[in-house]
Amino acid sequence: EPEVTQTPSHQVTQMGQEVILRCVPISNHLYFYWYRQILGQKVEFLVSFYNNEISEKSEIFDDQFSVERPDGSNFTLKIRSTKLEDSAMYFCASSVQADWGYTFGSGTRLTVV
Amino acid sequence: GQNIDQPTEMTATEGAIVQINCTYQTSGFNGLFWYQQHAGEAPTFLSYNVLDGLEEKGRFSSFLSRSKGYSYLLLKELQMKDSASYLCAVRGSDSNYQLIWGAGTKLIIKP
Repeated sequence: EPEVTQTPSHQVTQMGQEVILRCVPISNHLYFYWYRQILGQKVEFLVSFYNNEISEKSEIFDDQFSVERPDGSNFTLKIRSTKLEDSAMYFCASSVQADWGYTFGSGTRLTVV
Repeated sequence: GQNIDQPTEMTATEGAIVQINCTYQTSGFNGLFWYQQHAGEAPTFLSYNVLDGLEEKGRFSSFLSRSKGYSYLLLKELQMKDSASYLCAVRGSDSNYQLIWGAGTKLIIKP
């Protein structure tokens, strides 16, 4: 069964450092998403991406965040200057159509110290 | 504001049936999703309802009433592996992409 793959599975970084979280969506999917989940809390939408541009973003997704699809397969989330409160599980997801259920990747656990 | 309510935790017995309820108040409605999430893992898609009624998929069924802002997930013939959190998520009509998530219902299955 096709999978969304994310790397790394766990990243520890110092406050103020830049991190890049990587995702490879399912190959025939057209819509890509980043969500995050702080430990013990709700899943929160960050951003959606379609046709090589951001289609929607939440209040969380401020100018410290950016996304990129540098080639035909990767989809990355960059946090420019990490804060302690950025510590969370970050999930990448993709879907064939916008109104279909997503397939989530297994997540990257980001720990900012 | 936008809100999705689910019970925090439920307990059921292996082999039994359990119903997990979800109520929502959102800016319009454009579909409701149920996901299963095991601890430390990613959510897994279970079902999608956009019209009123019952959608059945094997041991899992999901029901929607748009007029009541209400959905439930019905799990039959419970197995120990069904112990997980069940997340209700709604897409409002002011968004094509963003899902608003409930806090999830932790389901504990006992032998």
